[in-house]
Amino acid sequence: DTAVSQTPKYLVTQMGNDKSIKCEQNLGHDTMYWYKQDSKKFLKIMFSYNNKELIINETVPNRFSPKSPDKAHLNLHINSLELGDSAVYFCASRDTNNSPLHFGNGTRLTVT
Amino acid sequence: KQEVTQIPAALSVPEGENLVLNCSFTDSAIYNLQWFRQDPGKGLTSLLLIQSSQREQTSGRLNASLDKSSGRSTLYIAASQPGDSATYLCAVSGNQFYFGTGTSLTVIP
Repeated sequence: DTAVSQTPKYLVTQMGNDKSIKCEQNLGHDTMYWYKQDSKKFLKIMFSYNNKELIINETVPNRFSPKSPDKAHLNLHINSLELGDSAVYFCASRDTNNSPLHFGNGTRLTVT
Repeated sequence: KQEVTQIPAALSVPEGENLVLNCSFTDSAIYNLQWFRQDPGKGLTSLLLIQSSQREQTSGRLNASLDKSSGRSTLYIAASQPGDSATYLCAVSGNQFYFGTGTSLTVIP
């Protein structure tokens, strides 16, 4: 029944490790996003995919690589994790530019 | 580049009071504006979406207005309740959504 689902909900890992966060939406939306929410609660876009194609890639380190196997999934892989990567990562989707944005519940990443 | 500002950053009111949250944006070329609520440790819940051609939207005790020409939106909450305590975020939509910094609302019983 969940519209946008992310896994895992919590992720604790050490510096230097590689980790992935998965996102799936069952709304039939064409566009999916990854946002990062920092400690000050500011939401910043990282990536946007439309129908499996990358359309937005903000200034994000190359260690972050999105992967969209189909338009219902947008996964985020992070290499060589750093302390500054600790944040809450949100997946979101929408149908068209005039449609509302739907969010997942977030993945809290803690790098130690 | 679009910049979105929310004032005030924090607000504390007694239960039952009506209140207004403000959102301003610099680029009026938007598709729509969306208000969200975020509870601590949780995701974002959509409250209202106003298309660029609309002036306001209402849902229950919430009313959101949009003045695109002046780059402003307000979220009016009537008869506030302790359960309304949360962070409220506005986001304007172009090719992507640009988020404000949020207003943290506390409703005191």
